[in-house]
Amino acid sequence: GAVVSQHPSWVICKSGTSVKIECRSLDFQATTMFWYRQFPKQSLMLMATSNEGSKATYEQGVEKDKFLINHASLTLSTLTVTSAHPEDSSFYICSARWNYGYTFGSGTRLTVV
Amino acid sequence: GQQLNQSPQSMFIQEGEDVSMNCTSSSIFNTWLWYKQDPGEGPVLLIALYKAGELTSNGRLTAQFGITRKDSFLNISASIPSDVGIYFCVGPNQAGTALIFGKGTTLSVSS
Repeated sequence: GAVVSQHPSWVICKSGTSVKIECRSLDFQATTMFWYRQFPKQSLMLMATSNEGSKATYEQGVEKDKFLINHASLTLSTLTVTSAHPEDSSFYICSARWNYGYTFGSGTRLTVV
Repeated sequence: GQQLNQSPQSMFIQEGEDVSMNCTSSSIFNTWLWYKQDPGEGPVLLIALYKAGELTSNGRLTAQFGITRKDSFLNISASIPSDVGIYFCVGPNQAGTALIFGKGTTLSVSS
């Protein structure tokens, strides 16, 4: 149980375009989901906490207008990287809290060219 | 802010060897978690610790929650090639609303 599915697993986009990443809880309802970013050979850094039906809470230094988070249902949170630039290239990982802890998606590799 | 300091940063060992890695913090944690991340994947929970002094095993893995609540260690016995990956110590942030990650220990195992 407690499976989180992330889609797509990888995406390449042109500089200036927007990219949407989906995070779905498959077998439980997730009122709270989290978005992390991981640069090569670095740790996971929390970007924002996504709460169903309300605005996301962003960590210090994360631009909320650039990284749009929507959590419109109990099983889906989306992260949209707007006007992407090469420095946004990274591994994005979502997580969801369930009854017995936290479970993570398999990540999305974003490359901006 | 809260920080989790892991050591060593990386390890290169032979198959069959035992491995030990640790995690320290200047802040007290009430929960210590150990996750493993395979290349290109999300992290997977290995062991969760909830009580100071607690020693918990999961197969060849053993982890302990330090008495001071400011440290934890993870041991892997008789390593095998599939143990390769990044091991993270993880704890709740100050507000208790999300998880924060240590910098990780990268383990390489040669057969």
